[in-house]
Amino acid sequence: SQTIHQWPATLVQPVGSPLSLECTVEGTSNPNLYWYRQAAGRGLQLLFYSVGIGQISSEVPQNLSASRPQDRQFILSSKKLLLSDSGFYLCAWTKRGAPNTGELFFGEGSRLTVL
Amino acid sequence: AQSVTQLGSHVSVSEGALVLLRCNYSSSVPPYLFWYVQYPNQGLQLLLKYTSAATLVKGINGFEAEFKKSETSFHLTKPSAHMSDAAEYFCAVSELSGYSTLTFGKGTMLLVSP
Repeated sequence: SQTIHQWPATLVQPVGSPLSLECTVEGTSNPNLYWYRQAAGRGLQLLFYSVGIGQISSEVPQNLSASRPQDRQFILSSKKLLLSDSGFYLCAWTKRGAPNTGELFFGEGSRLTVL
Repeated sequence: AQSVTQLGSHVSVSEGALVLLRCNYSSSVPPYLFWYVQYPNQGLQLLLKYTSAATLVKGINGFEAEFKKSETSFHLTKPSAHMSDAAEYFCAVSELSGYSTLTFGKGTMLLVSP
């Protein structure tokens, strides 16, 4: 069966410090991978998606970047965190190819607090 | 372009009462529709999905939803609320275009009182 894990689960960082959140998927190959952010009262915001190694698309301009160094690994980074980067970050994957309903499978989430 | 509207950011019910969470969608093609549940500080978990088979879809934890094309709705119901149902619920639509991402509603927080 397929599993998705992301870490760390909780992170408290000072403003201006770097960030690295990691996500890995097991039990499938060539998944589409996604990073979402939840800020209080703002629902789910799609940040990045990737359809393959080294292929990253950004949905919104921001202080964050993403990378996909391996087929089932997705990393969210920042060189200098801002207060506004605080939130709950979710990694997700979906299968490619038929049959495909577009169903997303989510990780456990990472709570980032920037102070 | 697809979109999802969830009516009510918060819904309060008493334990044992009917749960009704509303979702309306906009889609240019026959959609796939989903309901996800999120408990505090956890990821989203699939409750149920409509994939063009039966219009009444049954999910986990006693929830069900009915796809009504004429009303462009996919409301989520449960006959009797339980305290453990308190969570945030998200409706989502997929048109399987491009990278096959879902479009989510803003979520409805379900509050259950004893």
